[in-house]
Amino acid sequence: ETGVTQTPRHLVMGMTNKKSLKCEQHLGHNAMYWYKQSAKKPLELMFVYSLEERVENNSVPSRFSPECPNSSHLFLHLHTLQPEDSALYLCASSPTVGHHEQYFGPGTRLTVT
Amino acid sequence: GQQVMQIPQYQHVQEGEDFTTYCNSSTTLSNIQWYKQRPGGHPVFLIQLVKSGEVKKQKRLTFQFGEAKKNSSLHITATQTTDVGTYFCAGRYGNNRLAFGKGNQVVVIP
Repeated sequence: ETGVTQTPRHLVMGMTNKKSLKCEQHLGHNAMYWYKQSAKKPLELMFVYSLEERVENNSVPSRFSPECPNSSHLFLHLHTLQPEDSALYLCASSPTVGHHEQYFGPGTRLTVT
Repeated sequence: GQQVMQIPQYQHVQEGEDFTTYCNSSTTLSNIQWYKQRPGGHPVFLIQLVKSGEVKKQKRLTFQFGEAKKNSSLHITATQTTDVGTYFCAGRYGNNRLAFGKGNQVVVIP
């Protein structure tokens, strides 16, 4: 176990649904990340938070809305998704945003129908 | 641009043999990290290289960072079935951006 947990592990949702992904880290890290992993594509960084402040937003559609209430928790709110949004969504944390390795959670496998 | 290319994308390796996977960037990197993702799992950090020409070893794994800090390699000797998975490199650029490669998916043939 890496100290980063994600729930749910699997999610199937329709295009009109609203759902949220949750990530929690127990490592005392100050930086948290959301990644999207699709088949045959590099890991795509979506959002970066440092001490609850969003420091990076990589042109992600507004149907994905992150929330970081404190340095241990990170959410990704989903609404009106498209089938092409189906992917593995990975949360990661690191001591700071910078030169450290990242610790990944197990991911949420999302299927949009 | 700030992206890293990994070659090959797929490898089938006979158990007991050696293999190498490569990572290349067109621009200089601050450092490079390697991760391994087992089938159905998540990326797990293996190592970070920072210095030009740096070589680090972890048992059967040898990691190398090029002199120009634009490329890196991972060499695995005496492949075991536990080496199956996808190996990702992630290059960090001067603006702190970490760019992951597409990964090298390794299948081990018993």
